[in-house]
Amino acid sequence: QKEVEQDPGPLSVPEGAIVSLNCTYSNSAFQYFMWYRQYSRKGPELLMYTYSSGNKEDGRFTAQVDKSSKYISLFIRDSQPSDSATYLCAMIGRPGGGSEKLVFGKGTKLTVNP
Amino acid sequence: GAVVSQHPSRVICKSGTSVKIECRSLDFQATTMFWYRQFPKQSLMLMATSNEGSKATYEQGVEKDKFLINHASLTLSTLTVTSAHPEDSSFYICSASTRGYYGYTFGSGTRLTVV
Repeated sequence: QKEVEQDPGPLSVPEGAIVSLNCTYSNSAFQYFMWYRQYSRKGPELLMYTYSSGNKEDGRFTAQVDKSSKYISLFIRDSQPSDSATYLCAMIGRPGGGSEKLVFGKGTKLTVNP
Repeated sequence: GAVVSQHPSRVICKSGTSVKIECRSLDFQATTMFWYRQFPKQSLMLMATSNEGSKATYEQGVEKDKFLINHASLTLSTLTVTSAHPEDSSFYICSASTRGYYGYTFGSGTRLTVV
């Protein structure tokens, strides 16, 4: 089983739609959870990071963490064409008690159509 | 905000030569730097983690002698791809973090093409 599972999509939605992106993980050693946005041929940029279970809101973005289910989500409200990108979930922890690791999901390619 | 500069953004080299990629944290001290590679339509695969002043920790399957990582200062880490082959062609990205902060800042990436 992979450490982090993320449906690669692609996902295509009309402008204004609510987008839901999800990841599951297998190792409870992961403690910090992030969502990154990556445009083509660019490095990822951090959108949100959370630590505890629950919701965290920032503008049109809401990150949700359920540690008991090992499941994280990113919701995008009122999606815009400029939101079209690949969204990667990522998490930090010390699986196996070793050095700290930042591990990514495969990324979900999102297209928001005008 | 935190900025990481990665250079070069694009490089083409001949098979058998070595290529060095630099990653600099411009406005913070990076205690930890990560190096990733990303194949088309794939996620970022962690290659190695380096802490300033100590040897890098490589992920399973990554050749230490081929991918040399140096993190000699708190603002600079380098990745050298030695004796490059066409299968090393990929997008290489560094990220950096400072102690106590769990947001990792990424460089813009280096597109390596080995011909």
